[in-house]
Amino acid sequence: NAGVTQTPKFQVLKTGQSMTLQCAQDMNHEYMSWYRQDPGMGLRLIHYSVGAGITDQGEVPNGYNVSRSTTEDFPLRLLSAAPSQTSVYFCASSYQQGGGYEQYFGPGTRLTVT
Amino acid sequence: GNSVTQMEGPVTLSEEAFLTINCTYTATGYPSLFWYVQYPGEGLQLLLKATKADDKGSNKGFEATYRKETTSFHLEKGSVQVSDSAVYFCALSLNQAGTALIFGKGTTLSVSS
Repeated sequence: NAGVTQTPKFQVLKTGQSMTLQCAQDMNHEYMSWYRQDPGMGLRLIHYSVGAGITDQGEVPNGYNVSRSTTEDFPLRLLSAAPSQTSVYFCASSYQQGGGYEQYFGPGTRLTVT
Repeated sequence: GNSVTQMEGPVTLSEEAFLTINCTYTATGYPSLFWYVQYPGEGLQLLLKATKADDKGSNKGFEATYRKETTSFHLEKGSVQVSDSAVYFCALSLNQAGTALIFGKGTTLSVSS
């Protein structure tokens, strides 16, 4: 298994541009999530999905869209990039193990918006 | 609302010292609690978890006990190694699936030989 993969690893955008961060997992996990990590802020939940066709907002959803058409993929769309969206973005998927669920994180995408 | 508060870092220790990183939480209901570790340049890895009150999570010599009465989940290790140098995050889950996590701001641990 490749686990959770994210592309690209690095991206530079200009203000107002749009782009999609890709996330895929090959473990048949039902649940997937997107987080952003900023210095001194820890990780904050952007959107999450509990299955294909079902998504919900997290702590900081504004400026981001998601969709979940397949179990494997959970892309994150920036509609009009802003400098405040400069961050490291992590995708995660999770499955049930024992009495709870365990999340696997991807390696991250470092995004800079100028 | 739901939140997690961790002790401010950085924490600097000598090898074989005892480690405690404090974590307290505010939540509605009874969340699951987690500790994640992030080594330099890498993503997050689950270190340990506890799904109900009085559960003790443990892994790689690290332990944490889910204390409902004090809303705490402090991370401890009896003897740290240089290889434990990393950023540690406490987190709680918003849902039963543990898929939507609220994280603390992270505590940087630096261990010297």
